[in-house]
Amino acid sequence: DTGVSQDPRHKITKRGQNVTFRCDPISEHNRLYWYRQTLGQGPEFLTYFQNEAQLEKSRLLSDRFSAERPKGSFSTLEIQRTEQGDSAMYLCASSFDYPFGGSGDRNRRNTIYFGEGSWLTVV
Amino acid sequence: KQEVTQIPAALSVPEGENLVLNCSFTDSAIYNLQWFRQDPGKGLTSLLLIQSSQREQTSGRLNASLDKSSGRSTLYIAASQPGDSATYLCAADSGTYKYIFGTGTRLKVLA
Repeated sequence: DTGVSQDPRHKITKRGQNVTFRCDPISEHNRLYWYRQTLGQGPEFLTYFQNEAQLEKSRLLSDRFSAERPKGSFSTLEIQRTEQGDSAMYLCASSFDYPFGGSGDRNRRNTIYFGEGSWLTVV
Repeated sequence: KQEVTQIPAALSVPEGENLVLNCSFTDSAIYNLQWFRQDPGKGLTSLLLIQSSQREQTSGRLNASLDKSSGRSTLYIAASQPGDSATYLCAADSGTYKYIFGTGTRLKVLA
């Protein structure tokens, strides 16, 4: 278990450029989440995947944002035509969806684990 | 719509003190509540998760409690240490797997 990995950790880009972030979840986790966090605020939900299916998207995720999780493994978050308001830390998290009636440590299995985040600065 | 509030926003205590961080949520129909720690410029580290059927969880010097009827959770830190200095965030999941976060409590433990 190597934890949730995110790349790149920092990205500075000019307004109007496209950027892509990658997230590698914990290997056995079937759920993957993207959050965005600005200074002094708690993380805000953007979207999540159950395996390769994107099940929900926040209204914060405008048409310029797209997320994918091909084959239910790693995920990418792309921002097109970046704006200065996109500057934030983009956090990826993963969890194991606890099946009804299953056994094991339910608290550990329902816990979501975050990566170190990808800082985006749009200049 | 779930809203999560954390009070106080900042807290400074001397080393060794026991302390309580508060988290309030508006929708009592929560599925899980999770406490996290965040160091400056870093991601979030999970501390404790409490399921709706549980009243409390403990890990080392940390104890988290959940009172759904009053819409409150507390994180108790015993014998605080300078290494505990960080921002502590609580997040509520109403069964939709969208955790709603508070804005956090910035804790500073003075040596």
